[in-house]
Amino acid sequence: ETGVTQTPRHLVMGMTNKKSLKCEQHLGHNAMYWYKQSAKKPLELMFVYSLEERVENNSVPSRFSPECPNSSHLFLHLHTLQPEDSALYLCASSQDSLLVAGGPDTQYFGPGTRLTVL
Amino acid sequence: GIQVEQSPPDLILQEGANSTLRCNFSDSVNNLQWFHQNPWGQLINLFYIPSGTKQNGRLSATTVATERYSLLYISSSQTTDSGVYFCAVGNNDMRFGAGTRLTVKP
Repeated sequence: ETGVTQTPRHLVMGMTNKKSLKCEQHLGHNAMYWYKQSAKKPLELMFVYSLEERVENNSVPSRFSPECPNSSHLFLHLHTLQPEDSALYLCASSQDSLLVAGGPDTQYFGPGTRLTVL
Repeated sequence: GIQVEQSPPDLILQEGANSTLRCNFSDSVNNLQWFHQNPWGQLINLFYIPSGTKQNGRLSATTVATERYSLLYISSSQTTDSGVYFCAVGNNDMRFGAGTRLTVKP
């Protein structure tokens, strides 16, 4: 138990569906992250939020839309996805954003949502 | 961007053996972390180690920042050590290596 929870754990959706992934951290951290882990590719940092403001968007397609309503919750809204978007989506949090503080900061990961797009 | 290379890509050990995993990176960094991802996908931070040496039980890590590499040592390996070990480095971002997949056999 890392103090970061994600729901759902598994999700199957069609290309025309709209769904959302949810992440919640119980650690009192100020920064939250979305990562994508595809088969046979390194983890890719998608979005970074620091104090509820987005500070990084690594050229992620607009069919992925993040939302951070408060420092404890992070969502990833999905719409019109492609089969190649199938992956494990990981949420993480840290005390401060590693992009602002430049470290040192330990990231705590949630268990991930395994997404399959048909 | 910074390139991160991990070796070996796969490692199979007998329980009780020791191992060394390596992470090379292409530029100076102020953040380096080692993670373990268990077979169920959970990532756990092992070390934050941009330089120097740290130890935690059977695990230890050393980073030689001037030579741009880090080593993760696992001693007296156990089956629960199986999984993928990732190195992540960066300055204002985090780049992950492809990982070393470790299998420890009983």
